[in-house]
Amino acid sequence: AQSVAQPEDQVNVAEGNPLTVKCTYSVSGNPYLFWYVQYPNRGLQFLLKYITGDNLVKGSYGFEAEFNKSQTSFHLKKPSALVSDSALYFCAVRDALTGGGNKLTFGTGTQLKVEL
Amino acid sequence: DAGVIQSPRHEVTEMGQEVTLRCKPISGHNSLFWYRQTMMRGLELLIYFNNNVPIDDSGMPEDRFSAKMPNASFSTLKIQPSEPRDSAVYFCASSLATANTGELFFGEGSRLTVL
Repeated sequence: AQSVAQPEDQVNVAEGNPLTVKCTYSVSGNPYLFWYVQYPNRGLQFLLKYITGDNLVKGSYGFEAEFNKSQTSFHLKKPSALVSDSALYFCAVRDALTGGGNKLTFGTGTQLKVEL
Repeated sequence: DAGVIQSPRHEVTEMGQEVTLRCKPISGHNSLFWYRQTMMRGLELLIYFNNNVPIDDSGMPEDRFSAKMPNASFSTLKIQPSEPRDSAVYFCASSLATANTGELFFGEGSRLTVL
């Protein structure tokens, strides 16, 4: 079974400060890990993914995420937050051994609020 | 490029009525997913199809829910009869299964309110 946990329902940060949104995962084999963002009244949008290779993955809008196998974590980061980054962020996982297409398991989401 | 197209965007209906939600995936994608999002339960996978064939419907709440994919460019999610607890935003997503990298493309969602 595969699962992902986002321990924080909400993260508040001041504009210009660095932000971190936490995610830990559990899979039987090697993980494929993803971050998605959802703006109000919109569908989810893909931000970035880790499949293999460098542990630091760069994605859209200046976001990056660090894969840490020993801690089974995949935290989302951004060096300098913008008010426009305020949205709901979802971490997702897929076991690399899982066949049958791209069935992802999503976390419960973390609401990011960036204030002036 | 056209993304995943869902209709209707908003639906308000009365308990007991039949509801049909529609989805057109991105052309060339061969996997299609139906998700439901609520405040209480978050994002739940209801069912997904590969090459128009249902692969996993374990997330479908009960027999009142059914989904079909008659061809590669169209899918429906039907609720009959609808109940107030079905009120949620229903998302359709598509992907290229052979890409094997998990990037899903979501539609804008259908917000269902059952009175």
